[in-house]
Amino acid sequence: DAGVIQSPRHEVTEMGQEVTLRCKPISGHNSLFWYRQTMMRGLELLIYFNNNVPIDDSGMPEDRFSAKMPNASFSTLKIQPSEPRDSAVYFCATQREARGDTQYFGPGTRLTVL
Amino acid sequence: GNSVTQMEGPVTLSEEAFLTINCTYTATGYPSLFWYVQYPGEGLQLLLKATKADDKGSNKGFEATYRKETTSFHLEKGSVQVSDSAVYFCALSDQGSGNTPLVFGKGTRLSVIA
Repeated sequence: DAGVIQSPRHEVTEMGQEVTLRCKPISGHNSLFWYRQTMMRGLELLIYFNNNVPIDDSGMPEDRFSAKMPNASFSTLKIQPSEPRDSAVYFCATQREARGDTQYFGPGTRLTVL
Repeated sequence: GNSVTQMEGPVTLSEEAFLTINCTYTATGYPSLFWYVQYPGEGLQLLLKATKADDKGSNKGFEATYRKETTSFHLEKGSVQVSDSAVYFCALSDQGSGNTPLVFGKGTRLSVIA
């Protein structure tokens, strides 16, 4: 299995631009989580989906952030417009629909907003 | 609510030293407990887990025992190597209904010097 796939691995953009991060979950995994990691705030959950349905988006910082999961094989996290404080590493993680099962993390997307 | 507290880092050890990273948790039910490791520039990887009281998780020489009476899941290794240098995260998963996000500790950075 290829594991969780994220793209791009690195993104450098200018303030005000739209940024789209992509995630392909492990086949058969029903839950998908978006996290953000910074030195100051550590690892934060942004939003998660069960069976393609958003369950909790209370971690999304503000309306500039949005996430979709149109099907079981794909999810996007979009920031529009981006700001320098959005610079972070964004991780996608997926899990089978089984209580207490392991979450598998992707390699992350390192976003730098200038 | 659920929470995880792990010892502050950074921790610096000499090669072959004994490692303990403390982790305690607060949970309303009977969570599963995890240790994840993050090597520089990579995503989080599962190191070990335990799903019920008195279970011992082990992997790559690391061990942790689920202690319900002390609500702890301390990570230990008898002899660390330089290659163990990484950030270690303790986490819990509520075994309530459906898949729920992991609750992470803030992470402990370990540096092992030769």
